[in-house]
Amino acid sequence: DAKTTQPPSMDCAEGRAANLPCNHSTISGNEYVYWYRQIHSQGPQYIIHGLKNNETNEMASLIITEDRKSSTLILPHATLRDTAVYYCIVKDYNQGGKLIFGQGTELSVKP
Amino acid sequence: EAGVVQSPRYKIIEKKQPVAFWCNPISGHNTLYWYRQNLGQGPELLIRYENEEAVDDSQLPKDRFSAERLKGVDSTLKIQPAELGDSAVYLCASSLIRDSRVPLHFGNGTRLTVT
Repeated sequence: DAKTTQPPSMDCAEGRAANLPCNHSTISGNEYVYWYRQIHSQGPQYIIHGLKNNETNEMASLIITEDRKSSTLILPHATLRDTAVYYCIVKDYNQGGKLIFGQGTELSVKP
Repeated sequence: EAGVVQSPRYKIIEKKQPVAFWCNPISGHNTLYWYRQNLGQGPELLIRYENEEAVDDSQLPKDRFSAERLKGVDSTLKIQPAELGDSAVYLCASSLIRDSRVPLHFGNGTRLTVT
């Protein structure tokens, strides 16, 4: 599985958009980009995934660059409850559900 | 739907004692995972089940760790004997099928402290 690089921490003002970057320069054609988040004392929670097109759901938007070497998770209107560690994971979906988590980005949303 | 249920939520034991963690996955989910999460790190896979079969246990320390998933539903992870380095959060997750495009649903974990 391709390796991902994320900043260790970020701050965001409440109500503003939070843009979380992820670098995956060695991604291969069959590998999807997945985002999970983990709120303190809880298990990880699925957010979104994508292959090459931009994706949006009720939680977030995922923007993947045309060369697929990087992506950005966007929380359009961050709230205090979005404070969490955000994990970007790259995985070939056909190799089973095993996800390899890195250290993620700790997002702090401040009032 | 009810989520993944784990128990106990917290466990404190002395080293060399045995300990067991229990997981009830979401109903109908065939694939079950046990992850371990050390402080400040992301979760690491210990074992993955498809129904009753352990299909990936390469990261499970088999000298002291064991797991079972009877009848392809609930699962138990056991450590015997526990060591100080086993202090961590043990997370259980389940998914409908093995395709990783299908989200994994995690429980809130069991926090183990070995003294």
